[in-house]
Amino acid sequence: DAGVIQSPRHEVTEMGQEVTLRCKPISGHNSLFWYRQTMMRGLELLIYFNNNVPIDDSGMPEDRFSAKMPNASFSTLKIQPSEPRDSAVYFCASRSPASGRIQYFGPGTRLTVL
Amino acid sequence: AQTVTQSQPEMSVQEAETVTLSCTYDTSESNYYLFWYKQPPSRQMILVIRQEAYKQQNATENRFSVNFQKAAKSFSLKISDSQLGDTAMYFCAFMKTGDNAGNMLTFGGGTRLMVKP
Repeated sequence: DAGVIQSPRHEVTEMGQEVTLRCKPISGHNSLFWYRQTMMRGLELLIYFNNNVPIDDSGMPEDRFSAKMPNASFSTLKIQPSEPRDSAVYFCASRSPASGRIQYFGPGTRLTVL
Repeated sequence: AQTVTQSQPEMSVQEAETVTLSCTYDTSESNYYLFWYKQPPSRQMILVIRQEAYKQQNATENRFSVNFQKAAKSFSLKISDSQLGDTAMYFCAFMKTGDNAGNMLTFGGGTRLMVKP
Protein backbone atom coordinates (compact mmCIF):
# COMPACT_ATOMS: atom_id res chain seq x y z
CA ASP A 1 0.00 0.00 0.00
CA ALA A 2 1.18 3.51 -0.75
CA GLY A 3 1.87 5.65 2.27
CA VAL A 4 1.09 9.32 2.65
CA ILE A 5 2.23 11.17 -0.45
CA GLN A 6 3.45 14.74 -0.37
CA SER A 7 4.51 17.01 -3.18
CA PRO A 8 6.76 18.67 -3.91
CA ARG A 9 9.56 17.17 -1.82
CA HIS A 10 11.54 20.38 -2.06
CA GLU A 11 10.39 23.89 -2.83
CA VAL A 12 12.51 26.99 -3.15
CA THR A 13 10.73 30.27 -3.66
CA GLU A 14 11.22 33.97 -3.19
CA MET A 15 9.65 36.07 -0.51
CA GLY A 16 6.20 37.25 -1.47
CA GLN A 17 5.41 34.31 -3.73
CA GLU A 18 2.51 31.95 -3.19
CA VAL A 19 3.41 28.41 -2.18
CA THR A 20 1.10 25.40 -2.31
CA LEU A 21 1.98 22.12 -0.63
CA ARG A 22 0.02 19.00 -1.45
CA CYS A 23 -0.87 15.85 0.42
CA LYS A 24 -2.59 12.61 -0.46
CA PRO A 25 -3.50 10.61 2.67
CA ILE A 26 -3.54 6.85 2.88
CA SER A 27 -6.69 5.46 1.30
CA GLY A 28 -9.37 4.86 3.93
CA HIS A 29 -7.89 7.27 6.46
CA ASN A 30 -10.37 9.89 7.60
CA SER A 31 -8.14 12.22 9.63
CA LEU A 32 -5.42 14.39 8.14
CA PHE A 33 -2.85 16.52 9.94
CA TRP A 34 -0.42 19.22 8.82
CA TYR A 35 2.72 19.69 10.95
CA ARG A 36 5.65 22.06 10.63
CA GLN A 37 9.18 21.29 11.79
CA THR A 38 11.74 24.00 12.49
CA MET A 39 14.92 24.11 14.52
CA MET A 40 13.51 26.79 16.79
CA ARG A 41 10.04 25.40 17.45
CA GLY A 42 10.42 21.70 16.75
CA LEU A 43 7.38 19.81 15.47
CA GLU A 44 4.10 21.64 15.83
CA LEU A 45 0.61 20.93 14.60
CA LEU A 46 -0.80 23.51 12.23
CA ILE A 47 -4.27 22.14 11.46
CA TYR A 48 -6.15 18.91 11.30
CA PHE A 49 -9.18 17.63 9.43
CA ASN A 50 -11.65 14.92 10.29
CA ASN A 51 -13.81 13.62 7.44
CA ASN A 52 -12.61 16.57 5.30
CA VAL A 53 -13.77 19.12 7.87
CA PRO A 54 -11.21 21.37 9.62
CA ILE A 55 -11.46 20.63 13.34
CA ASP A 56 -8.65 22.64 14.89
CA ASP A 57 -6.64 25.32 13.10
CA SER A 58 -5.33 27.05 16.20
CA GLY A 59 -1.78 26.18 15.19
CA MET A 60 -1.94 28.07 11.90
CA PRO A 61 0.55 30.91 12.37
CA GLU A 62 -1.40 33.69 10.73
CA ASP A 63 -3.78 34.58 7.92
CA ARG A 64 -1.09 33.99 5.34
CA PHE A 65 -1.59 30.27 5.91
CA SER A 66 -4.65 28.41 4.69
CA ALA A 67 -5.50 24.74 4.30
CA LYS A 68 -8.20 22.90 2.42
CA MET A 69 -9.38 19.35 2.05
CA PRO A 70 -11.81 19.26 -0.88
CA ASN A 71 -12.15 15.47 -0.73
CA ALA A 72 -10.97 12.47 1.23
CA SER A 73 -7.90 11.93 -0.93
CA PHE A 74 -6.39 15.39 -1.23
CA SER A 75 -5.37 18.34 0.92
CA THR A 76 -3.42 21.53 0.32
CA LEU A 77 -1.55 23.92 2.55
CA LYS A 78 -1.10 27.34 1.01
CA ILE A 79 1.13 30.21 2.11
CA GLN A 80 0.45 33.57 0.53
CA PRO A 81 2.57 35.65 0.62
CA SER A 82 5.51 33.56 1.77
CA GLU A 83 8.21 34.93 4.08
CA PRO A 84 11.72 33.68 4.94
CA ARG A 85 10.53 32.66 8.43
CA ASP A 86 8.18 30.15 6.79
CA SER A 87 11.20 28.07 5.77
CA ALA A 88 10.69 24.67 7.38
CA VAL A 89 9.81 21.07 6.69
CA TYR A 90 6.08 20.58 6.39
CA PHE A 91 4.67 17.14 7.15
CA CYS A 92 1.31 15.70 6.36
CA ALA A 93 0.03 12.74 8.38
CA SER A 94 -3.11 10.65 8.29
CA ARG A 95 -4.86 8.09 10.43
CA SER A 96 -7.92 5.93 10.41
CA PRO A 97 -10.26 4.99 13.27
CA ALA A 98 -8.79 1.49 13.08
CA SER A 99 -5.16 2.57 13.30
CA GLY A 100 -5.05 2.67 17.08
CA ARG A 101 -4.35 6.40 17.24
CA ILE A 102 -1.26 5.95 15.11
CA GLN A 103 -0.54 8.75 12.67
CA TYR A 104 1.32 7.86 9.51
CA PHE A 105 3.57 10.58 8.19
CA GLY A 106 4.47 11.55 4.67
CA PRO A 107 8.07 12.24 3.66
CA GLY A 108 7.69 15.99 4.18
CA THR A 109 8.20 19.02 1.98
CA ARG A 110 11.30 21.10 2.64
CA LEU A 111 10.36 24.71 1.96
CA THR A 112 12.98 27.41 1.55
CA VAL A 113 11.85 31.00 1.18
CA LEU A 114 14.61 33.31 0.04
CA ALA B 1 -2.06 22.13 27.70
CA GLN B 2 0.30 19.20 27.51
CA THR B 3 4.07 19.52 27.42
CA VAL B 4 6.65 16.91 26.53
CA THR B 5 10.27 17.24 27.60
CA GLN B 6 13.27 15.33 26.31
CA SER B 7 16.19 16.35 28.44
CA GLN B 8 18.93 14.74 26.34
CA PRO B 9 19.59 16.71 23.15
CA GLU B 10 22.25 14.25 21.99
CA MET B 11 23.38 10.77 22.91
CA SER B 12 25.76 8.21 21.51
CA VAL B 13 26.11 4.47 21.98
CA GLN B 14 28.40 1.78 20.71
CA GLU B 15 26.98 -0.70 18.27
CA ALA B 16 25.43 -3.73 20.00
CA GLU B 17 25.07 -1.94 23.32
CA THR B 18 21.95 -0.67 25.06
CA VAL B 19 20.84 2.94 25.35
CA THR B 20 17.91 4.62 27.11
CA LEU B 21 16.30 7.85 25.95
CA SER B 22 14.36 9.88 28.49
CA CYS B 23 10.99 11.57 28.15
CA THR B 24 8.77 13.26 30.68
CA TYR B 25 5.41 14.87 30.12
CA ASP B 26 2.97 17.04 31.94
CA THR B 27 -0.78 16.54 31.72
CA SER B 28 -3.90 16.53 33.82
CA GLU B 29 -5.47 13.90 31.60
CA SER B 30 -5.93 10.35 32.83
CA ASN B 31 -6.38 8.69 29.46
CA TYR B 32 -3.82 9.20 26.75
CA TYR B 33 -1.34 7.58 24.40
CA LEU B 34 2.40 7.99 24.25
CA PHE B 35 4.57 7.39 21.22
CA TRP B 36 8.18 7.29 20.17
CA TYR B 37 8.88 8.30 16.58
CA LYS B 38 12.21 7.97 14.81
CA GLN B 39 13.43 10.45 12.19
CA PRO B 40 16.50 9.23 10.28
CA PRO B 41 18.48 11.54 7.98
CA SER B 42 15.91 10.87 5.26
CA ARG B 43 13.60 12.94 7.59
CA GLN B 44 10.79 10.38 7.29
CA MET B 45 8.89 10.11 10.61
CA ILE B 46 8.64 6.44 11.56
CA LEU B 47 6.65 5.07 14.47
CA VAL B 48 8.84 3.07 16.84
CA ILE B 49 6.48 2.16 19.65
CA ARG B 50 3.17 3.11 21.26
CA GLN B 51 1.90 2.91 24.84
CA GLU B 52 -1.67 3.27 26.05
CA ALA B 53 -1.79 4.95 29.45
CA TYR B 54 -4.40 2.61 30.88
CA LYS B 55 -2.18 -0.39 30.22
CA GLN B 56 0.31 -1.04 32.99
CA GLN B 57 2.39 -3.42 30.94
CA ASN B 58 5.27 -1.77 29.17
CA ALA B 59 5.13 -1.97 25.37
CA THR B 60 7.85 -3.80 23.47
CA GLU B 61 8.67 -4.03 19.77
CA ASN B 62 11.61 -6.30 19.07
CA ARG B 63 14.74 -4.44 20.29
CA PHE B 64 12.69 -1.46 21.46
CA SER B 65 10.94 -1.29 24.81
CA VAL B 66 9.59 1.43 27.06
CA ASN B 67 9.58 2.07 30.77
CA PHE B 68 6.25 3.76 31.41
CA GLN B 69 5.90 5.28 34.87
CA LYS B 70 2.46 6.90 34.92
CA ALA B 71 2.69 8.42 38.38
CA ALA B 72 6.04 9.97 37.56
CA LYS B 73 4.85 10.96 34.07
CA SER B 74 7.90 9.34 32.55
CA PHE B 75 8.16 7.39 29.31
CA SER B 76 11.69 6.28 28.44
CA LEU B 77 12.74 4.29 25.40
CA LYS B 78 15.29 1.50 25.65
CA ILE B 79 17.07 0.32 22.54
CA SER B 80 18.85 -3.00 22.95
CA ASP B 81 21.57 -4.34 20.67
CA SER B 82 21.93 -0.96 18.99
CA GLN B 83 22.49 -1.01 15.25
CA LEU B 84 23.98 1.57 12.93
CA GLY B 85 20.56 2.01 11.36
CA ASP B 86 19.22 3.25 14.69
CA THR B 87 21.12 6.50 14.18
CA ALA B 88 18.37 9.13 14.03
CA MET B 89 16.44 11.80 15.89
CA TYR B 90 13.97 10.29 18.33
CA PHE B 91 10.83 12.15 19.31
CA CYS B 92 8.57 11.41 22.22
CA ALA B 93 4.95 12.39 21.63
CA PHE B 94 1.74 12.66 23.66
CA MET B 95 -1.85 12.31 22.54
CA LYS B 96 -4.84 12.74 24.82
CA THR B 97 -7.90 10.70 24.06
CA GLY B 98 -11.62 11.01 24.48
CA ASP B 99 -12.75 13.39 21.78
CA ASN B 100 -11.78 14.63 18.36
CA ALA B 101 -9.42 17.22 19.79
CA GLY B 102 -7.44 14.43 21.32
CA ASN B 103 -6.09 13.26 18.01
CA MET B 104 -3.32 15.84 18.03
CA LEU B 105 0.25 14.86 18.79
CA THR B 106 2.36 17.03 21.06
CA PHE B 107 6.06 16.38 20.46
CA GLY B 108 9.12 16.74 22.62
CA GLY B 109 12.19 18.52 21.32
CA GLY B 110 13.92 15.33 20.23
CA THR B 111 17.08 13.42 21.09
CA ARG B 112 19.73 12.92 18.45
CA LEU B 113 21.13 9.40 18.78
CA MET B 114 24.33 8.32 17.12
CA VAL B 115 25.30 4.67 17.03
CA LYS B 116 29.05 4.26 16.67
CA PRO B 117 30.68 1.24 15.03
